Amino acid sequence: QSALTQPASVSGSPGQSITISCTGTSSDVGGYNYVSWYQQHPGKAPKLMIYDVTNRPSGVSNRFSGSKSGNTASLTISGLQAEDEADYYCSSYTSSSTHVVFGGGTKLTVL
Amino acid sequence: QVQLVQSGSELKKPGASVKVSCKASGYTFTSYAMNWVRQAPGQGLEWMGWINTNTGNPTYAQGFTGRFVFSLDTSVSTAYLEISSLKAEDTAVHYCARAGGIGNGAFDIWGQGTMVTVSS
Repeated sequence: QSALTQPASVSGSPGQSITISCTGTSSDVGGYNYVSWYQQHPGKAPKLMIYDVTNRPSGVSNRFSGSKSGNTASLTISGLQAEDEADYYCSSYTSSSTHVVFGGGTKLTVL
Repeated sequence: QVQLVQSGSELKKPGASVKVSCKASGYTFTSYAMNWVRQAPGQGLEWMGWINTNTGNPTYAQGFTGRFVFSLDTSVSTAYLEISSLKAEDTAVHYCARAGGIGNGAFDIWGQGTMVTVSS
């Protein structure tokens, strides 16, 4: 069982927007602005898409945005494109002995 | 360019050991922490722990103590993950990932992954 809870799957049509949630506790998501989001295509290594809740690394499309409210962080992808179809994982720093926790992952399907 | 290149796939028998390497290039190896992340087939990402590349001090996540060892050879900018007494449940892709390059706790550079298969 993952420490952070994500929906197993989401879907959307090209051009639409989707949001993936990531729910934790006050010991992780809610307690720190250290949430990251990763995109993983099949057979590939994860790629950092969002760090520190809202920031995009250089080279990541501005169609990707992050936010947080309480113990839940969210990743929004606007203007969906076929290439966005992938698995998405959130992660957070945690005050527990684990230090870093991941969500279970969300499979995004572009219809 | 900045990259992490890992060693190739491994097939091991239960009870054996395996050592996975992760060679860094394009940046100062000792300036960034190195993390290890495991992904079992069809499953999600699991943080195994990290090693301070400046001091060599490792930190292991719960569930990754005892049989798992993180080490370094700074002379060749390489981090290692060694797993002993392999079990079938160790079958997974193991990734090294750099932290400290951006943000707080974000893994900005990842190796390509090393598949470790444990089977008799």
